[in-house]
Amino acid sequence: AQSVTQLGSHVSVSEGALVLLRCNYSSSVPPYLFWYVQYPNQGLQLLLKYTTGATLVKGINGFEAEFKKSETSFHLTKPSAHMSDAAEYFCAVSAGVTNAGKSTFGDGTTLTVKP
Amino acid sequence: DVKVTQSSRYLVKRTGEKVFLECVQDMDHENMFWYRQDPGLGLRLIYFSYDVKMKEKGDIPEGYSVSREKKERFSLILESASTNQTSMYLCATLYTEAFFGQGTRLTVV
Repeated sequence: AQSVTQLGSHVSVSEGALVLLRCNYSSSVPPYLFWYVQYPNQGLQLLLKYTTGATLVKGINGFEAEFKKSETSFHLTKPSAHMSDAAEYFCAVSAGVTNAGKSTFGDGTTLTVKP
Repeated sequence: DVKVTQSSRYLVKRTGEKVFLECVQDMDHENMFWYRQDPGLGLRLIYFSYDVKMKEKGDIPEGYSVSREKKERFSLILESASTNQTSMYLCATLYTEAFFGQGTRLTVV
């Protein structure tokens, strides 16, 4: 069994500020973890993923996430927010990469970027 | 680039109608999925398919069925649409991660 909790359904930051979106997971097997972004009226797009190996994962658009097994966390960060980062972000967990489509998704966090 | 195409971006249907949502992928992936997305509920898996003519129920299959007659096409069927099926529907295919279509926003009136 697996689950995902995204802390904070809405996060607001100023342009240029640090972005931190929180994700905690539970999984009975070693997890595969994903962050997706969804812009208005569009489908989801993969930002980054952790499968095995290096725990700090870099993705597109300057985002990165760190897998912390001891904390069961996979928080998403970006050093400096840009207006174009405003979107909804989803954290997801799956039991292995072949089950990525059967991922369990969090409820999403809407990121607002203020000028 | 993998392309997942959903036939409609917006649909408005009447209660009781039979509704077909079509999804086509161009990368010969075996695995395809239908999700429903609602505010505050994230994505919920309706049905998925690992191969042609094969299907399995996801977490919320009630009121839906699917068809996979060809590898590239995965259809979601609402047998008798109801207002509580008003939602955003997302199709996805899978290689090493999930690739999503642009979504179909269905309104049932």
